[in-house]
This record gives sequence, C-alpha cells and structure tokens, in this order.
Amino acid sequence: GENVEQHPSTLSVQEGDSAVIKCTYSDSASNYFPWYKQELGKRPQLIIDIRSNVGEKKDQRIAVTLNKTAKHFSLHITETQPEDSAVYFCAADAYPGNQFYFGTGTSLTVIP
Amino acid sequence: EADIYQTPRYLVIGTGKKITLECSQTMGHDKMYWYQQDPGMELHLIHYSYGVNSTEKGDLSSESTVSRIRTEHFPLTLESARPSHTSQYLCASSETAYSPLHFGNGTRLTVT
Repeated sequence: GENVEQHPSTLSVQEGDSAVIKCTYSDSASNYFPWYKQELGKRPQLIIDIRSNVGEKKDQRIAVTLNKTAKHFSLHITETQPEDSAVYFCAADAYPGNQFYFGTGTSLTVIP
Repeated sequence: EADIYQTPRYLVIGTGKKITLECSQTMGHDKMYWYQQDPGMELHLIHYSYGVNSTEKGDLSSESTVSRIRTEHFPLTLESARPSHTSQYLCASSETAYSPLHFGNGTRLTVT
C-alpha cells in the first residue's frame, strides 16, 4: 500500500517568515494530494490540494508544489501569522481509489 | 447545514463493553471512512466504504466492524473494548475521486 513520509515533525518560525513542509509518497499510481490543517481539539480541515497533472497551485499565502517523478510534494506558507500555528498533515490517495494515507504530521508554531 | 456528524463526542466505558460510534453525513457522499488518531498524531485508516453495502478494511481494522446500510450512515462497532482502544475516532466522507475528505468532529473514547 501507499506510504507517506512527512518532515519535519515540528517547525518553529518567526511571524512573517516562511514555512515549508515536505512529504514523499511511494505509490506511483497516486494522483491526488490534499493538505489538512488541524487546530488543537478540532477536526482536520482541507487547506489546499493538488492533482498529479499540475506542478504547482497557490491560494493567497499558501502554495503546494508537486514533483511526480521524484514522488514528493511540499506545502509553502508565506508571511506566517500566529493563527497558522497548528498541526499540518499531507495525504495521498491510493489505488483502488480514494483511500487516503496520511503523513505523520508537522506541528507548526509561529512565534509572534 | 450539510455536514458530517459524530456521536457521542466523548465516551468513557469499561473494558469488555460493546460500543457503537455513530457517524452520519447529509452531503450525499458515497465514500465514507473511519480514522483513528491519538491527539495531534498520525491518522490511521480503520475502515472505508465506497457506497451502500460496500465496506473494506484499512490498515488498522482489527477488533472493529462497520456497516453501510444507508448512504448517510456509517457506524463503527467495537465488540469488546480494551484500554488499547483509547483514542479519538474520526469519521470522514468524500464525494468522488480527487475530492477531499470532510471530517466529523470526532469521538474521543476512553476505555478504563
């Protein structure tokens, strides 16, 4: 089955700096890669996603890049704010369709 | 409001009890999932369903069962709860392939 690895496990940045979280996956058949943000005590919420036919996608301060050849994708958050502090999970779908496997999570702390 | 609902929100039970965690969604999604997550940690797929009368086991399905008699309802049953089952259980649904997961608020289970 699919194996998703995520790094780093913890990340601290100063407010206004950029944060980058990286994930790799093992199943070359994976085609859809969502990112979720989970605040303390709350449910995971989708923040951005990308399909395998696209190399990059951006939504305001958040962007995701995908290198399908190397089987890795990354989340980029620019101009970080304290409210960006949360645990972020990457995920990849897996054949035979729409099973999702998650990375181990990155705890991001934005220091005011 | 279209959403995915889980009950109970919190549950404390004794070892050996049989319990059912309820999950209902009002979005008409065919695909539904159960994940187990310790706070802030990785999400592990327990069971999933592609539609009515379809259920599949995930990587962490031992000692639990699911049913999908109606599109909107996907309950999870533990036949005999053990302290090792203490965790948070998240139900999720998705519309189609390449669609993100929508999560419920979770059931936090403690087995004493």
